[in-house]
Amino acid sequence: QKEVEQNSGPLSVPEGAIASLNCTYSDRGSQSFFWYRQYSGKSPELIMFIYSNGDKEDGRFTAQLNKASQYVSLLIRDSQPSDSATYLCAVKSNAGNMLTFGGGTRLMVKP
Amino acid sequence: NAGVTQTPKFQVLKTGQSMTLQCAQDMNHNSMYWYRQDPGMGLRLIYYSASEGTTDKGEVPNGYNVSRLNKREFSLRLESAAPSQTSVYFCASSYSIRGRGANYGYTFGSGTRLTVV
Repeated sequence: QKEVEQNSGPLSVPEGAIASLNCTYSDRGSQSFFWYRQYSGKSPELIMFIYSNGDKEDGRFTAQLNKASQYVSLLIRDSQPSDSATYLCAVKSNAGNMLTFGGGTRLMVKP
Repeated sequence: NAGVTQTPKFQVLKTGQSMTLQCAQDMNHNSMYWYRQDPGMGLRLIYYSASEGTTDKGEVPNGYNVSRLNKREFSLRLESAAPSQTSVYFCASSYSIRGRGANYGYTFGSGTRLTVV
């Protein structure tokens, strides 16, 4: 079992809809959670981080964390074609030294 | 302020050749990392350096060596390239590994696309 799991997709949503991306992790000692966006042929860029249970909003993006259930999600409201990319979930353990990445979910937003 | 700079951006090697991928950051980050990214495999950690003077193996270190030359620079060397090392390589850096929050996420370089024939 991978330490960080994501559905590879593609997840297809119409423009203006809410895209919901999910991630589960196995290490209960994980402390910080990150969402990266990666356009095709480009490097990952950080879009959200969260470390407390609940929701965190930043513009059209909302990260949700549930440590008891060991999942973290990313909601994208009013999805735009420019949001089409692969979204990587990454988890950092307080004891560990690195981020562990999921395989990514490919999102396609159709006009 | 360039962030994380990787060179070269593209490289084709013949099996058995050696090469060094260069990475430099100007953000005064303590920690630096080398990942490879393959289709369907996500990002896998090759080596990392928690601070200047230290290096440690990651998930897939075989066939690679690294050097943390100073706080800014972290290089990755392939001593005898193999077709299995065809991949996209990303260097990344971050602040202190024990923190949390956005400052402790990674900043990535633009990547090196390596093909071994």
